[in-house]
Amino acid sequence: SAVISQKPSRDICQRGTSLTIQCQVDSQVTMMFWYRQQPGQSLTLIATANQGSEATYESGFVIDKFPISRPNLTFSTLTVSNMSPEDSSIYLCSVGPGSGGYTFGSGTRLTVV
Amino acid sequence: RKEVEQDPGPFNVPEGATVAFNCTYSNSASQSFFWYRQDCRKEPKLLMSVYSSGNEDGRFTAQLNRASQYISLLIRDSKLSDSATYLCVVNMLNGGSQGNLIFGKGTKLSVKP
Repeated sequence: SAVISQKPSRDICQRGTSLTIQCQVDSQVTMMFWYRQQPGQSLTLIATANQGSEATYESGFVIDKFPISRPNLTFSTLTVSNMSPEDSSIYLCSVGPGSGGYTFGSGTRLTVV
Repeated sequence: RKEVEQDPGPFNVPEGATVAFNCTYSNSASQSFFWYRQDCRKEPKLLMSVYSSGNEDGRFTAQLNRASQYISLLIRDSKLSDSATYLCVVNMLNGGSQGNLIFGKGTKLSVKP
């Protein structure tokens, strides 16, 4: 199965600022996915990142708040913009399904103060 | 009704115990089913897929009851290393986009010496 390198692993940010999270995959994949996992909650899909086209956002998530880039088939970024304490969460990228199911990055633990 | 429901636990069991987790899903059109394991501060990782005929992998047995829209995971001879949160995951379609994945909130297991 694919191996994903995600960074940063954690960050503490001031409200009103933005953070960009990066995911690098060791193989070419058509779609990459970005999730949010709030404390005590299930994973929620934010958007699907397709190479060469605009990302597809799920209900409740908008491009202005969570802009996504997908410059090639192995890399994607998610930006959390104009952050507030409510954005404190774990953000994960994912690919799949593959032979190992859905593979997730190690996650970015974001705290907004 | 929530789409995928799990008992959040925690389940506190002694080493060697047998423990069972249950999961119910609301969409009868769901096509594929999984159990994922998420260690504290780590990303989810596939534990096993769940098939209609039931399947076993060592100490782990997964079962699916489509009529009742119910999935179970049985862990026999619990080990300390089994301590984790177990996520029930349902896909509305076979393969394809993760946009159809629904995650439960997870059931926390703590195995004590």
